[in-house]
Amino acid sequence: DFVMTQSPDSLAVSLGERATINCKSSQSILYSSNNKNYLAWYQQKPGQPPKLLIYWASTRETGVPDRFSGSGSGTDFTLTIDSLQAEDVAVYYCQQYYATPYTFGQGTKLEIK
Amino acid sequence: QVQLVESGGGVVQPGRSLRLSCAASGFSFSTYGMHWVRQAPGKGLEWVALLSSDEDYILYSDSVRGRFTISRDNSKTTLYLQMNDLRTEDTAVYYCAKDIENRQGYFEKWGRGTLVIVSS
Repeated sequence: DFVMTQSPDSLAVSLGERATINCKSSQSILYSSNNKNYLAWYQQKPGQPPKLLIYWASTRETGVPDRFSGSGSGTDFTLTIDSLQAEDVAVYYCQQYYATPYTFGQGTKLEIK
Repeated sequence: QVQLVESGGGVVQPGRSLRLSCAASGFSFSTYGMHWVRQAPGKGLEWVALLSSDEDYILYSDSVRGRFTISRDNSKTTLYLQMNDLRTEDTAVYYCAKDIENRQGYFEKWGRGTLVIVSS
């Protein structure tokens, strides 16, 4: 199975500052035939289901604010939230869909400092 | 708009069975793959099962294979999860999730979930 490891486990950032969450896959999730990274990011607010933010490692889902961005390739990926807003408090998960079983990172809890 | 509404959760004893349903609306249900994903209390997300649009592709996680069965009724736009021989470690909120395509593998939309508690 592909093991997804996020860092840090929790993060406190001041309003208006940048938050950076890392995700590392145990194996490359870059598919050479189409040069796509099979990685998604989700946001889960308390008491709510997860919400898709980013797919193909860097493509923002429709309606997601442009302060959210994804980057990386192969085994190392980053979710960046610029100019943190109060409504961004949530747990963030990365997920690989390169191979089954589809697997998630353990989650990163983002709080306001 | 896309809506997914799970039902069927509850408290059940170990070894017993439960069937979850997910009523879908707002999209062409029969053309999309559908998944079940679960989340144990206070824990992370675990993918459980995938069923392709025409039911020719079915996958399960190792933790539920042989005990759970995913199915769908495209005429009723409903996804199901039959859970047999339930264990305490199956306690979780169960979400149904819509694939972005037939079986791309990431989850465009999630329901609000239904809680399953396995306890004696």
